[in-house]
Amino acid sequence: GESVGLHLPTLSVQEGDNSIINCAYSNSASDYFIWYKQESGKGPQFIIDIRSNMDKRQGQRVTVLLNKTVKHLSLQIAATQPGDSAVYFCAEKAGGSYIPTFGRGTSLIVHP
Amino acid sequence: DAEITQSPRHKITETGRQVTLACHQTWNHNNMFWYRQDLGHGLRLIHYSYGVQDTNKGEVSDGYSVSRSNTEDLPLTLESAASSQTSVYFCASSEAGSKNIQYFGAGTRLSVL
Repeated sequence: GESVGLHLPTLSVQEGDNSIINCAYSNSASDYFIWYKQESGKGPQFIIDIRSNMDKRQGQRVTVLLNKTVKHLSLQIAATQPGDSAVYFCAEKAGGSYIPTFGRGTSLIVHP
Repeated sequence: DAEITQSPRHKITETGRQVTLACHQTWNHNNMFWYRQDLGHGLRLIHYSYGVQDTNKGEVSDGYSVSRSNTEDLPLTLESAASSQTSVYFCASSEAGSKNIQYFGAGTRLSVL
């Protein structure tokens, strides 16, 4: 069936490696950022978020880093597992707006 | 557990027909959104609502309409389906507040023949 991962930047890693997925955002007024995971045939699922007054936030096996100087966001996944295979989207939101702007996504492929 | 459900999950229709996709959330969220997802375009916003009787156009609203008669539901209607509307459609909801994390449904795959 059709995969949302086609035509997207792709990151291939071996199981157990650490993965880093990058995202450049465009709006210097954005003050809130979210990472979503979308598995094949499913809707996007919230992973982790970070406000612009922070530069790092950790969750379970995931860390988000924010560099406002260069408008760059990254998602680090520790000890990547086959179940992490999915498309990962970053989203940015400016204060006062309820509508995030989504990036195009990166397809993560984890090889056993 | 609270959830957001879309129906049908798959739909095949013919050009020119009116089609309605359902979205129902039990989060009691004020905000609801409809997106379409196509290869090479990511998620594009069709319509959104900030509460009952409120509807707004997104970036790709032509040919689509929504109505919000209660908090739980935001049905999306394609007035006269076109082949260009073949896509995967996602509904999302979020609560009012500074974070607005969106919670997505599983999607509806629509084919217009």
